[in-house]
Amino acid sequence: DAGVIQSPRHEVTEMGQEVTLRCKPISGHDYLFWYRQTMMRGLELLIYFNNNVPIDDSGMPEDRFSAKMPNASFSTLKIQPSEPRDSAVYFCASSWEGTQPQHFGDGTRLSIL
Amino acid sequence: GNSVTQMEGPVTLSEEAFLTINCTYTATGYPSLFWYVQYPGEGLQLLLKATKADDKGSNKGFEATYRKETTSFHLEKGSVQVSDSAVYFCALSHWPGLIFGTGTRLQVFP
Repeated sequence: DAGVIQSPRHEVTEMGQEVTLRCKPISGHDYLFWYRQTMMRGLELLIYFNNNVPIDDSGMPEDRFSAKMPNASFSTLKIQPSEPRDSAVYFCASSWEGTQPQHFGDGTRLSIL
Repeated sequence: GNSVTQMEGPVTLSEEAFLTINCTYTATGYPSLFWYVQYPGEGLQLLLKATKADDKGSNKGFEATYRKETTSFHLEKGSVQVSDSAVYFCALSHWPGLIFGTGTRLQVFP
């Protein structure tokens, strides 16, 4: 079975550029989560979707961050404009029900120069 | 509010040593508890879970028991291997997602 698929695995770009991270959840999973992992703050939940609808984006750090889920098999997290402090590993996770274990992708390591 | 506290790392052990990684939690209600493992360059993988008090989760030689009286979910393994070197995260369910501890790095040397 294919797991959660994220792309790209690594992204290096200059500050001010737009960054788009992509995620394909496991088929049949109704919940999709975006997390950010840094040494200082650990794992933080940014936003989650249920049946493609954003439910809670209170973890999104600033208006520069936005996320969409146009269909059940695809989600994007966009940062525009990017800043060096956005450098982190961004994980996407999915689950078939909110209280069930989440399945994580391998993450996107983002470096903003 | 709900939170998870893990022991500081790194934990450094020799192969075949006994492992304990402490995890305590604060929660309202009766959350499910999880241990996730993260190998270098990879995402988090579910290692084991327990959904109610006194449940024991186990997988790949790892065990953890949901202790409501001590609000703990300590991870144990009787004999670690070099391949167990990774970061381990304790987590609790908090609708709709998970609250993670800060992670504990385990380093096992031959």
